[in-house]
Amino acid sequence: DVKVTQSSRYLVKRTGEKVFLECVQDMDHENMFWYRQDPGLGLRLIYFSYDVKMKEKGDIPEGYSVSREKKERFSLILESASTNQTSMYLCASFYGGGKAGEQFFGPGTRLTVL
Amino acid sequence: AQSVSQHNHHVILSEAASLELGCNYSYGGTVNLFWYVQYPGQHLQLLLKYFSGDPLVKGIKGFEAEFIKSKFSFNLRKPSVQWSDTAEYFCAVTAYTGRRALTFGSGTRLQVQP
Repeated sequence: DVKVTQSSRYLVKRTGEKVFLECVQDMDHENMFWYRQDPGLGLRLIYFSYDVKMKEKGDIPEGYSVSREKKERFSLILESASTNQTSMYLCASFYGGGKAGEQFFGPGTRLTVL
Repeated sequence: AQSVSQHNHHVILSEAASLELGCNYSYGGTVNLFWYVQYPGQHLQLLLKYFSGDPLVKGIKGFEAEFIKSKFSFNLRKPSVQWSDTAEYFCAVTAYTGRRALTFGSGTRLQVQP
């Protein structure tokens, strides 16, 4: 079974702090994604990566950056956390193989910014 | 850019009632369609998917969905719901080519009363 793990289930940070959210997948997937989930808005794409060191902006990249130094790991960085970044963050991955396919999701990190 | 609409935000049913959740998408090209489910406190997991072929697809736990291309719809159905179906349901779409990230609807919270 594909396993996508996220470094923390719950995180509380202060406004202005730099925040790192880590995601690791164990199935050699090329594609990895970061979404945020908010009530009534569903999941919205922040950033994604097709391969190591490659990244592309999603629909709501402002205030975020990402890093993918190894194939299995995709990090989301909040350079200076703000209260409007309080949310549930979900990481996902899939193999791809040239066409879109099922994405596998991690358990999520619930981030609260005070 | 594609978008997804889920018109039912909160649905309350009694056990054994039939379920139909609406999903409409906007995109002019070939799409892949998904329904994901999130049970309370659990990972987002795939319920069913449509890539091509028979427009009536069957998923896990007795769910099915029908792709109607002319209506840009992918409605989810279950003939008889159970209390354990209480969850949030998300419809998602991705284009067959190009960006491989999912675009999600806003979700439907289903509450099944015993």
